[in-house]
Amino acid sequence: AQSVTQLGSHVSVSEGALVLLRCNYSSSVPPYLFWYVQYPNQGLQLLLKYTSAATLVKGINGFEAEFKKSETSFHLTKPSAHMSDAAEYFCAVSDEAGTYKYIFGTGTRLKVLA
Amino acid sequence: KAGVTQTPRYLIKTRGQQVTLSCSPISGHRSVSWYQQTPGQGLQFLFEYFSETQRNKGNFPGRFSGRQFSNSRSEMNVSTLELGDSALYLCASSFGTENTEAFFGQGTRLTVV
Repeated sequence: AQSVTQLGSHVSVSEGALVLLRCNYSSSVPPYLFWYVQYPNQGLQLLLKYTSAATLVKGINGFEAEFKKSETSFHLTKPSAHMSDAAEYFCAVSDEAGTYKYIFGTGTRLKVLA
Repeated sequence: KAGVTQTPRYLIKTRGQQVTLSCSPISGHRSVSWYQQTPGQGLQFLFEYFSETQRNKGNFPGRFSGRQFSNSRSEMNVSTLELGDSALYLCASSFGTENTEAFFGQGTRLTVV
């Protein structure tokens, strides 16, 4: 079965600094990968998805992620953090292509310091 | 267009009771998935329905059940509630075909007392 590991349950960055949130998946077969963001008392909002079309995926709000098969990683980055980026971020993998049985990581709470 | 709508947003129930949560997907979406989110276990998949049929199921006891109607709206039922069922229940909808993402609702916060 698939699994997802997010390193760092809490990450703090200064406003304007680079954001790097780490995600590693377990499968040897490139799966579908997603990053979602959750604001307090809200559902999950899709930031971006990888579906094998391109290894560098651009998402909303200036976020992007790079799929690296050799490292089984799909890290999320943003060049310059804004205060509004403070939220919890989840990496997810689909257990089977074409299904919606997502396996989520444990989440990384991003804090942006003024 | 309207997003995924979950009702109610908040619910308080007593241990032993049963509860039904509702999810209205985005128009045109035929797949509805349900997830449970708790501080201890994180986000866990409950089940997915596509065209009124359960297509996938997670590792939850039989007290958790669901169904989907012909208009793609879905309900989730939990019987004989336990304190540990307190959680945020999230519903997600999608077209249900390969290479399409799921869109989540705001969730129903269930508290069991």
